[in-house]
Amino acid sequence: GENVGLHLPTLSVQEGDNSIINCAYSNSASDYFIWYKQESGKGPQFIIDIRSNMDKRQGQRVTVLLNKTVKHLSLQIAATQPGDSAVYFCAENWDSGGSQGNLIFGKGTKLSVKP
Amino acid sequence: NAGVTQTPKFRILKIGQSMTLQCTQDMNHNYMYWYRQDPGMGLKLIYYSVGAGITDKGEVPNGYNVSRSTTEDFPLRLELAAPSQTSVYFCASRSSGQGYEQYFGPGTRLTVT
Repeated sequence: GENVGLHLPTLSVQEGDNSIINCAYSNSASDYFIWYKQESGKGPQFIIDIRSNMDKRQGQRVTVLLNKTVKHLSLQIAATQPGDSAVYFCAENWDSGGSQGNLIFGKGTKLSVKP
Repeated sequence: NAGVTQTPKFRILKIGQSMTLQCTQDMNHNYMYWYRQDPGMGLKLIYYSVGAGITDKGEVPNGYNVSRSTTEDFPLRLELAAPSQTSVYFCASRSSGQGYEQYFGPGTRLTVT
């Protein structure tokens, strides 16, 4: 099947710098994408989502960019803080013919923030 | 709201034993999901439910069973546990609205030896 993947499995940044986490997807029919943050020992937490009719969406200190031409998704974190250290997953909407809203998750990128 | 709660937090099973992982949500969400997460990997969908009385298989359903008798509860049953089922299990739920955002529980760490 088609899966969501990630370019970089690990990313180390200095506190205060901007972080960019990338994600490639292969299902051109996917119409919804979402980013989750997972801290050690916890369940994933929603960060931001974007629909395929948009190419950019901003939240608090985070921006998601969608490039449908090259099937690429990125998460930008501004002024990265130690509390941002976590594993970040992208996921795409996958439904097996019905509108179930099932998500397919990538493997994740571990973000480490150096103080 | 407590959100999505899961019990137990940790469990060690011997090969061949059975157990039920509990999941409850108090957000009146129709959709509920069970995932497993192996070390260093993403989440894989085991089973999901679109409402009480309706369940369906996900990507990796073998060795598991589910039921959904109420909107709030979505237990996951492991019969004849195997070492390959050692993993962290997450339950999630979402509303029937336009977004597909899923809310996750804290997980159950299961070891089968």
